[in-house]
Amino acid sequence: GAVVSQHPSWVICKSGTSVKIECRSLDFQATTMFWYRQFPKQSLMLMATSNEGSKATYEQGVEKDKFLINHASLTLSTLTVTSAHPEDSSFYICSANPASGGSYEQYFGPGTRLTVT
Amino acid sequence: QKEVEQDPGPLSVPEGAIVSLNCTYSNSAFQYFMWYRQYSRKGPELLMYTYSSGNKEDGRFTAQVDKSSKYISLFIRDSQPSDSATYLCAMSGGNTPLVFGKGTRLSVIA
Repeated sequence: GAVVSQHPSWVICKSGTSVKIECRSLDFQATTMFWYRQFPKQSLMLMATSNEGSKATYEQGVEKDKFLINHASLTLSTLTVTSAHPEDSSFYICSANPASGGSYEQYFGPGTRLTVT
Repeated sequence: QKEVEQDPGPLSVPEGAIVSLNCTYSNSAFQYFMWYRQYSRKGPELLMYTYSSGNKEDGRFTAQVDKSSKYISLFIRDSQPSDSATYLCAMSGGNTPLVFGKGTRLSVIA
């Protein structure tokens, strides 16, 4: 149990275009989902926390107008990178927190590798 | 001082060795302590989870938490090449998001 999927697993896009990444909890309901980015050989950096049906909470330094997060249902959150630039190239990982668990209980997706050319 | 400190390694050991991975932290509010394993280009996978102080064992893996010293450890016995990965410690106060260490890259050489 506790499986989280992400789609796509990798994407290449041109500078200036937008990219949407989906995060789904497959066998549980997630009231909270988290979005992270990870640069090579670096740890996970929390970008934002999203709660179903409400606006996401962004970490300091993360542009909310550039990284649009929508948590439309208890099993789906999306991250849209708008007007992507090469510096947005990174590994984006989501995690989901079961409705019955504390915030510490997070299950991670396999990640999405974004390359902006 | 960062909230969570973890030696990034890399750590290289021969197959069969006992591996010790450690993290220190500064926030005394942390109550939940996790170890994740991350293979290259994959998402983190939860290995061990401990609440408050004490030890927890699962197969070849043992997690220890010493809250008085703000120090946590993960031991891997009889290490295998398949254990080669990055190990991330993470901790939380309970209703707060996880705070991660930088991760330690481990290589187990056959």
